[in-house]
Amino acid sequence: GENVEQHPSTLSVQEGDSAVIKCTYSDSASNYFPWYKQELGKRPQLIIDIRSNVGEKKDQRIAVTLNKTAKHFSLHITETQPEDSAVYFCAATHFGNEKLTFGTGTRLTIIP
Amino acid sequence: ETGVTQTPRHLVMGMTNKKSLKCEQHLGHNAMYWYKQSAKKPLELMFVYSLEERVENNSVPSRFSPECPNSSHLFLHLHTLQPEDSALYLCASSQDLQGRYGYTFGSGTRLTVV
Repeated sequence: GENVEQHPSTLSVQEGDSAVIKCTYSDSASNYFPWYKQELGKRPQLIIDIRSNVGEKKDQRIAVTLNKTAKHFSLHITETQPEDSAVYFCAATHFGNEKLTFGTGTRLTIIP
Repeated sequence: ETGVTQTPRHLVMGMTNKKSLKCEQHLGHNAMYWYKQSAKKPLELMFVYSLEERVENNSVPSRFSPECPNSSHLFLHLHTLQPEDSALYLCASSQDLQGRYGYTFGSGTRLTVV
């Protein structure tokens, strides 16, 4: 089955700087990679996703890159703001699979 | 609200109690999931239902019993739990089993077993 590893487990970034969270996956058949943000005491929410037919996707200050050869994908947050503080989860699956496999999460803290 | 509602939000139960968690979605999604979120194993998949049929039981102890009476409702029946079962239980739904459009999560039930 799929195994997703996520690093780092915690990350502190000065406000305005960039943050990068990295994930690797094991199943070469995986072709859908979403990222979820979970603020303290709240539910996980989908913030961005990428499919295997593209290498990069951007949405304002958030971008995700995918390297299928190396089987890793990354979340990039630029110009970080205090409201970016949260736990971020990556996940992977392939069409025909029954579930998403989540990474273990990264606690991002933005330092004012 | 995102369309997935979980009740109760908080639950404290003794080890001999029987209680149920409820999840409801009105998004027209066909798949629903129970996840356990704890400090040790974030987002641990427990059960998967598609069109009211269980398609996966992820080696969950029998003291957790799911029920899906229709595509909009999902229950998790609890009995004789252990203190280590204390966690946040999240329900999620997706348009299809592949989750290719992402999952929508409920707010969770914070369960404490005493």
